[in-house]
Formats: sequence, structure tokens, C-alpha cells
Amino acid sequence: DAKTTQPNSMESNEEEPVHLPCNHSTISGTDYIHWYRQLPSQGPEYVIHGLTSNVNNRMASLAIAEDRKSSTLILHRATLRDAAVYYCILRAVIQGAQKLVFGQGTRLTINP
Amino acid sequence: KAGVTQTPRYLIKTRGQQVTLSCSPISGHRSVSWYQQTPGQGLQFLFEYFSETQRNKGNFPGRFSGRQFSNSRSEMNVSTLELGDSALYLCASSTFSGGNAYEQYFGPGTRLTVT
Repeated sequence: DAKTTQPNSMESNEEEPVHLPCNHSTISGTDYIHWYRQLPSQGPEYVIHGLTSNVNNRMASLAIAEDRKSSTLILHRATLRDAAVYYCILRAVIQGAQKLVFGQGTRLTINP
Repeated sequence: KAGVTQTPRYLIKTRGQQVTLSCSPISGHRSVSWYQQTPGQGLQFLFEYFSETQRNKGNFPGRFSGRQFSNSRSEMNVSTLELGDSALYLCASSTFSGGNAYEQYFGPGTRLTVT
């Protein structure tokens, strides 16, 4: 399975932008890049996904490198509620079925 | 719309016993995936069901099995429980399986403790 590499932890201040990096050098041409986050005592929550182009939604932006071997999740103005473990995931489609391969994630701490 | 529900939320079992966990997906979702989360291994994919068929399976022993019913509800069974099976078991549902990317919606999980 293709793997992702993320920093174990990051820290930022409230109302500042946060850039969460992810390396996925073994990504295949059909793998989508997904980001999920997990708040304490909850299941993971979908954040954003992309294939080749940069993507924006109400929660975040996803910047994908031209060679697709890395990507960055951007939270434009972090709030205390954004403190969570963020997972960068490659969504593989194997024999017509999807499979999410989770890495260890980045624990994001937001300082007030 | 109601979210993904999992029952029970907490469970304590003894080594050697078996356990069945239940997952009700979001209405209209036909794909259900199961994941195991432990502090040491993180989130690991168990299997995915779509329209009552297992479409994909992770690297877990045969003691882990599942099924999906015609109403898309899914159950996961673990037989001959081992201490290492203690984990948070998460269920996720999505609209479709394969093809274009569809986000998965996770339930709160079932916390299984094996003593």
C-alpha cells in the first residue's frame, strides 16, 4: 500500500494560518489524496480531497504538488476547535473497491 | 440526516470469547467500511462492504469477519478474542464504492476491551 509521511505534531496560534505537510512519494496515478481529522473521543471527520488540482472548501484548502508526491492542508484561520489529529490519506481503488490507508497523522495544537 | 451509529459504544470481553459489533450507515449510503484503531498501529482498514458484498479486505486474520444486510446495516465479528484485539473499532459509510472519490462518514466507534 502506498504510504504517507506526516510530522508527528505541530503547534500554531489561534487565528493564524496553519500549513500541514504530507509526503506521499509512492502515490499512484489513480490515488486520491484525502484529509481527515479526528477530534478527541470522536471518529475521523472528512476535511477535503483532491486528485491533481488545488482544492478549496469551507473548511480548508488543499495544495497538491505538481508531481503529486506531496500535498499541504491549509487552515486559513485556526481556531481552538481545529485542535485535532490530522490524517493525510491515499484513497486507493482496488478491484473496484475503495480503501483508505491511514498514516500516523499530525497532532495539531492551537494556542489561544 | 442521522449520522453513522455504532452499537454498543463500549464492550468488555474475556480472551477466547467472540464479539459482534453493529453499524448503521447514513440513510442512502450503500458502502460500509470497518477500521481498527490502536495507539500502536493507528487506524487500520479491516474491510469494506457494498451492496451486501465484501469488496476489499485489509491484512487481518480470519478471526475478523463481517457482513452487510440488505438495508446496508453491517456487523463485524471477532472470534477467539485476544488481548491485542483491544481497540476502538470504527465504522464508516459512503454513498458509493470505487470510481470517483466519495468522502466517508465515520461513526463514534465501539471501544472493545479484552481482558
